[in-house]
Amino acid sequence: ETGVTQSPTHLIKTRGQQVTLRCSSQSGHNTVSWYQQALGQGPQFIFQYYREEENGRGNFPPRFSGLQFPNYSSELNVNALELDDSALYLCASSLPGSQETQYFGPGTRLLVL
Amino acid sequence: QKEVEQDPGPLSVPEGAIVSLNCTYSNSAFQYFMWYRQYSRKGPELLMYTYSSGNKEDGRFTAQVDKSSKYISLFIRDSQPSDSATYLCAMNDQGGNNRLAFGKGNQVVVIP
Repeated sequence: ETGVTQSPTHLIKTRGQQVTLRCSSQSGHNTVSWYQQALGQGPQFIFQYYREEENGRGNFPPRFSGLQFPNYSSELNVNALELDDSALYLCASSLPGSQETQYFGPGTRLLVL
Repeated sequence: QKEVEQDPGPLSVPEGAIVSLNCTYSNSAFQYFMWYRQYSRKGPELLMYTYSSGNKEDGRFTAQVDKSSKYISLFIRDSQPSDSATYLCAMNDQGGNNRLAFGKGNQVVVIP
């Protein structure tokens, strides 16, 4: 059984640019959630996708958007990057209705200059 | 008031000691309570979860939930240097809102 994988591992962008982060869910998991973890903070929920539809969203602006594909892999897109977007972006997969057992990937560390 | 409060102060203990961590929360709708362990530059790893109030034990780890006080705890017995990590509490209300609400995390260092 493969775990959750994310790419790239690190990324450096400049303010105003756009970025796409990718996630492959754990085998058999069709629900994916994205979180933002700033340095020294706990992860903050961005949104969740189930059956290719957004299924819940946290307090993040519309320039944070996502996609889920039929193979359950997922993308997080961030437009018009701001300095405060610098963080570790985490993807977590789970079975539907099993929010207590979300399994996280290693994350993508984004630095915005 | 934040939904989940976790005192982020670092905790250093000698090997073999008991580590005690806790979180408080304000949202009475929370029903599932999780503890994650996060090593440096890694994603969080699920340690244990508990539904509603009560205790749950898994090896050297014990999780406690007191819903009446809105207080949860994690105890690590016979701590090992490999337990050195950041421990995050997380909660979920299962009421159609699919997010996990996390605390800030506690950095634990077990000194050999």
